[in-house]
Amino acid sequence: AQSVTQLDSQVPVFEEAPVELRCNYSSSVSVYLFWYVQYPNQGLQLLLKYLSGSTLVKGINGFEAEFNKSQTSFHLRKPSVHISDTAEYFCAVSEVGTGGFKTIFGAGTRLFVKA
Amino acid sequence: EAGVTQFPSHSVIEKGQTVTLRCDPISGHDNLYWYRRVMGKEIKFLLHFVKESKQDESGMPNNRFLAERTGGTYSTLKVQPAELEDSGVYFCASSQETDSYGYTFGSGTRLTVV
Repeated sequence: AQSVTQLDSQVPVFEEAPVELRCNYSSSVSVYLFWYVQYPNQGLQLLLKYLSGSTLVKGINGFEAEFNKSQTSFHLRKPSVHISDTAEYFCAVSEVGTGGFKTIFGAGTRLFVKA
Repeated sequence: EAGVTQFPSHSVIEKGQTVTLRCDPISGHDNLYWYRRVMGKEIKFLLHFVKESKQDESGMPNNRFLAERTGGTYSTLKVQPAELEDSGVYFCASSQETDSYGYTFGSGTRLTVV
């Protein structure tokens, strides 16, 4: 069965510093991988996705993530964060070949960017 | 294009009452999903519609929850009678592709049962 583990519930970081939000998953089949972001009082917004091909995926707002199959990880990174990046970030996994209709989410990581 | 719309944004009801949540997906999106997040935990799958049919309702907690999707357009999620543990944020999402190339989420309905 699928599961998603986001290793940090909260990540405080200073503005313009780099950040990495960690995500590990478990699945017995191939997967699609996603990162979503939720800003205060808003719905979840798709940040980036990995379906196939290059393991380095670039998303919106300068974020990128790298799929590591051997480590079953999909960590999210940004080289220099802004105050506006303060939000909650969710890693999600969907299994390939099952119709992919049940996406499993992690518990979320709250990113706090301080001035 | 209009996004996924959920109504109401907040609802506070007493234990034992009934509440109906509504979701209007993006026009043309056949796939509609309901998810729930309780107390800062992970976002959990409730069910999936393809048009008006329930494709997967394995995540529905119990028979107090009833979801419908009239004519394959908007969907409602009714909780009757509500219990304290039903409190949380209910998200609706829609997509064109069944293979889950990424959902478009609504802003959620925050349900508080007191």
